[in-house]
Amino acid sequence: EAGVVQSPRYKIIEKKQPVAFWCNPISGHNTLYWYLQNLGQGPELLIRYENEEAVDDSQLPKDRFSAERLKGVDSTLKIQPAELGDSAVYLCASSLGWHATDTQYFGPGTRLTVL
Amino acid sequence: AQSVTQLGSHVSVSEGALVLLRCNYSSSVPPYLFWYVQYPNQGLQLLLKYTTGATLVKGINGFEAEFKKSETSFHLTKPSAHMSDAAEYFCAVTGGNQGGKLIFGQGTELSVKP
Repeated sequence: EAGVVQSPRYKIIEKKQPVAFWCNPISGHNTLYWYLQNLGQGPELLIRYENEEAVDDSQLPKDRFSAERLKGVDSTLKIQPAELGDSAVYLCASSLGWHATDTQYFGPGTRLTVL
Repeated sequence: AQSVTQLGSHVSVSEGALVLLRCNYSSSVPPYLFWYVQYPNQGLQLLLKYTTGATLVKGINGFEAEFKKSETSFHLTKPSAHMSDAAEYFCAVTGGNQGGKLIFGQGTELSVKP
């Protein structure tokens, strides 16, 4: 069974440029998560989708970040414009259901460097 | 609100020695607790989780953890460390109406010396 796929794996951009990350969850998983992981820290949830609906986006900085999950499968996370402080690893995860006990499976992440 | 504290950002053990990684949590609702491992340039992989029932939980690669409500702890152990155990370990908590929102600790880097 294929795991969570993320692309690109690495991205280097100049500040004020836009950037987008893509995530393909495990087939059949209804819930999708985007996490932000700063260097030396644990991941922090940015947004959680149940199918196409964003059910928790309270930690998403909506002035510059946006996300979508069309058709309830793939998802894209966008930053526009990027700032120096956005340099981090962006992790995507998926789970079969929405319950707190459901195991979340993580992708390898996209490492963003903003110059 | 929920939170996790991992004591020790870096732990070093010799190969064959006991591994003990400490995790304390805070939760106003019955917690669900998780340990994840992260190898360099990889995503997080679930080692084990506690939801309900037996408080001693066994996971993959010989790891286990015990939920102690009175101590609000969920420490991770392995009787004998192997070189391949060197990685970053994260403890996480969720529960109540948080749905799948995992609250992670800051992580503990485990080094294993030959």
